[in-house]
Parts: sequence; structure tokens; C-alpha cells
Amino acid sequence: QKEVEQDPGPLSVPEGAIVSLNCTYSNSAFQYFMWYRQYSRKGPELLMYTYSSGNKEDGRFTAQVDKSSKYISLFIRDSQPSDSATYLCAMGAQGAQKLVFGQGTRLTINP
Amino acid sequence: NAGVTQTPKFQVLKTGQSMTLQCAQDMNHEYMSWYRQDPGMGLRLIHYSVGAGITDQGEVPNGYNVSRSTTEDFPLRLLSAAPSQTSVYFCASRATSRGTYNEQFFGPGTRLTVL
Repeated sequence: QKEVEQDPGPLSVPEGAIVSLNCTYSNSAFQYFMWYRQYSRKGPELLMYTYSSGNKEDGRFTAQVDKSSKYISLFIRDSQPSDSATYLCAMGAQGAQKLVFGQGTRLTINP
Repeated sequence: NAGVTQTPKFQVLKTGQSMTLQCAQDMNHEYMSWYRQDPGMGLRLIHYSVGAGITDQGEVPNGYNVSRSTTEDFPLRLLSAAPSQTSVYFCASRATSRGTYNEQFFGPGTRLTVL
């Protein structure tokens, strides 16, 4: 079983829709949770960063962490065609150097 | 700042050939790492380094060597290329701070095909 599971999609939604992307994990030591966005043929870029449980909002993006369920989510409101990309979740444990990535979800927003 | 740079952008090798993928960063980051990205597999860690002279294996190290002689450079060597090493390779770097993860910056990637 992978430490981090992410539905690879692909996911296709109309412009303006609310998008929900999710990851589950098995390692209870994870405390740092990140979402990276990767445009086609580019390197990943950090989108959201959350420590421990709770919500974090940045514009149209909201990251949620539920440590009791070992489940994290990224919500995109009022989705735009420019949001079309692959979204990767990543996690790290206190004191550990390595980040563990999910498989990535390929998202397409249709105009 | 140029950030994280990788060369070459594309490479085609024949089975058994060797080559070195170059990675450099100008942000004085202690931590550097190499990932490979394959369809449906996400980013898998090959090797990483927490500072000059210190390297360690990641999830999929077989067939790859690394060294870290300077803070800036972290080359990845393929000793004898195999078709299974056809992939997109990303180098990444970040500053290290006690008790937290700093933003990890990725290079643009190297697309490698092994025939």
C-alpha cells in the first residue's frame, strides 16, 4: 500500500465549477501537507502549505486537513481554464527530510 | 536568481550508455533531490542530499548515482541506461529549517528516452 494515495483522474469540469481534489495517507507521523500545481511540461510549483489539521484559504483555493481521517483536500472555487493542470499532494513528517508525493490528479477546466 | 536549472532538457540514449543529468541552484539551499515522474506514478524520490558531501537513497535509487561536492550542484548519473529509465527527471531544492518544511523549488525537468 502506498503511503499517499491520490486519484489520478483525469477530472474534467466546466468553467465556474467547484473542484474537490483529495488525498489519503497511512503514515500518522505526517504533519506537513502541501499541494503542488504542475502545468504541462513544467516543474511543479507550490500552491498551498498547511501544518497539522485545519483549513487554509488563499483566494479561490482552500486546503483542508483532517488528521483523524488521514485525509486532505484542495477545493478550487470559480474554476478557470487557467487552473487546468496536474495537482499533486505532498506530505512530510516532523524531523524527516523527505516529502512523499501522491500520484497527481490531472484536471481540465472547460470554457 | 535563476532558481533551479537542469540540463539537458531532452536526451535520447541507447541501452547501456551512460550520462549525467546536471542540476544547479543559486539559492544557497542545503537540501537537493532528484525525482522521476512517470504516468500514474507521481513523483518518486531517487536520491537526495542535505548538504555538500552528504547524500542518501530515496525510493527508487537503483541504476543511479549522485554526488554533492558543492552546495550549488547535484548531478545525477545513469551508469548503464535501461529502457525502464525512460522518464521525466526533476531536480528540486529547498532551504532546511528545524521543525518545518520550506518551499521546495523544482527545475524544469529533463525528458529522457532510452531506446
